[in-house]
Amino acid sequence: GESVGLHLPTLSVQEGDNSIINCAYSNSASDYFIWYKQESGKGPQFIIDIRSNMDKRQGQRVTVLLNKTVKHLSLQIAATQPGDSAVYFCAETPNQGGKLIFGQGTELSVKP
Amino acid sequence: GAGVSQSPSNKVTEKGKDVELRCDPISGHTALYWYRQSLGQGLEFLIYFQGNSAPDKSGLPSDRFSAERTGGSVSTLTIQRTQQEDSAVYLCASNTLGWTDYEEQYFGPGTRLTVT
Repeated sequence: GESVGLHLPTLSVQEGDNSIINCAYSNSASDYFIWYKQESGKGPQFIIDIRSNMDKRQGQRVTVLLNKTVKHLSLQIAATQPGDSAVYFCAETPNQGGKLIFGQGTELSVKP
Repeated sequence: GAGVSQSPSNKVTEKGKDVELRCDPISGHTALYWYRQSLGQGLEFLIYFQGNSAPDKSGLPSDRFSAERTGGSVSTLTIQRTQQEDSAVYLCASNTLGWTDYEEQYFGPGTRLTVT
C-alpha cells in the first residue's frame, strides 16, 4: 500500500551543526506534508508544513524541501541545539484535512 | 490556551478486559483524530471525526475497536477484549478545519496502554 518512509532511522550531530532528515513518500496524490517532533513521553509537536504547490518553506531555524519529481521530503535544522534531540516524523495526506500517514521516524541525537 | 488532553495517562489491564480511553480536544475544534503508536514505530491512523458527519473508521484494526464522540467534543475510544498486541500509546489530535483546508493536527500527550 501507499506509505511514507524514512531513509535513516538515527542521526547524530554535533551541537551547532546543521541537520538534514530525509523522507520518501509513495503516494503521488499527496498534497500536504508535515514534519512533527516527538520528545520522549510526549505527543508529536508540529514543526513545519508544506503544500504540494511549493518546493521550499522556511520557519525559524527549520526549512522543509519538497521534491515531487522523486517524491522526497527533507527537514533541515540550522545550528542544531541539544533541545532538538527527539524523534522526527514526516507525514502526508492526500486529502484536505483527514488522516495523516506517518513515516517510521528518525531519532536525532545532538552531542554537546 | 489549553491543549488536547487525554486520560488516563497510563492504563494497565489484563488480557480480555475492556478499556476506555478519553480525549478532550481543543475547544472549538470540530475535527478529532485517533492514532496508535506501537513501541519505536510511527503513528497509525485509527479513526477520524469531522463535525456531524459519519466518522472515517477505515483505520480501526478490528471490530473490538470502536469510538464515539459525544456533543461534538469529547471522544472515547473503546477496546473490547483486549489483547497483548493492543499494547501501545494511543494518541488523540484535533484541529479546526478537518477536510475543508490544510491544517496541522494538534496532539495530546497520549495514553500508554499495557495489556498483561
